[in-house]
Amino acid sequence: AQKVTQAQTEISVVEKEDVTLDCVYETRDTTYYLFWYKQPPSGELVFLIRRNSFDEQNEISGRYSWNFQKSTSSFNFTITASQVVDSAVYFCALVDSSYKLIFGSGTRLLVRP
Amino acid sequence: GAGVSQSPSNKVTEKGKDVELRCDPISGHTALYWYRQRLGQGLEFLIYFQGNSAPDKSGLPSDRFSAERTGESVSTLTIQRTQQEDSAVYLCASSLGLAGGLDEQFFGPGTRLTVL
Repeated sequence: AQKVTQAQTEISVVEKEDVTLDCVYETRDTTYYLFWYKQPPSGELVFLIRRNSFDEQNEISGRYSWNFQKSTSSFNFTITASQVVDSAVYFCALVDSSYKLIFGSGTRLLVRP
Repeated sequence: GAGVSQSPSNKVTEKGKDVELRCDPISGHTALYWYRQRLGQGLEFLIYFQGNSAPDKSGLPSDRFSAERTGESVSTLTIQRTQQEDSAVYLCASSLGLAGGLDEQFFGPGTRLTVL
């Protein structure tokens, strides 16, 4: 069965701190995709990244970076030099041959000025 | 339109009434998904359409929930005899339907349903 676990329910940091959001997943498939979505207070889901299971290269996009490690079934997300606008709920998700997105329970990030 | 649209954006109803939620996917997207997000929680998969057929209805929480899709376009999620526990944001997503379901899903803004 597929499962995504985001153990951190809520994280609070001060602006300019770095913060890492953890994501651990389970799937029996060898082909799958992992996603991160941001859900700001307005409620819409904003796509951040998609990573396929055959590409373990880490990715950096501006202040965002992602560390994918198949050996530990983890796909962690780091925000460098956090800003108040980064405050949101962040969801990690998995899609495999079952084609439905399986979401983690989300991590609420609060960045204080 | 450019993105997935949903209507209404907000719906308040009384317990026991039926409601219909509508989703307009991105033009050309053959796959359509419905998810539910209860307050403070993650998204739960409800149902998936490929074209007009629904190969997976496993996420529908009860027989009060049904969905249909016509013309490989608009989809309607119907909740009969609503209960207070149905209160949630209902999100629709669409995708090209390629690659065995591994393609990116684009989300609509959601319909916030409140059952009094």
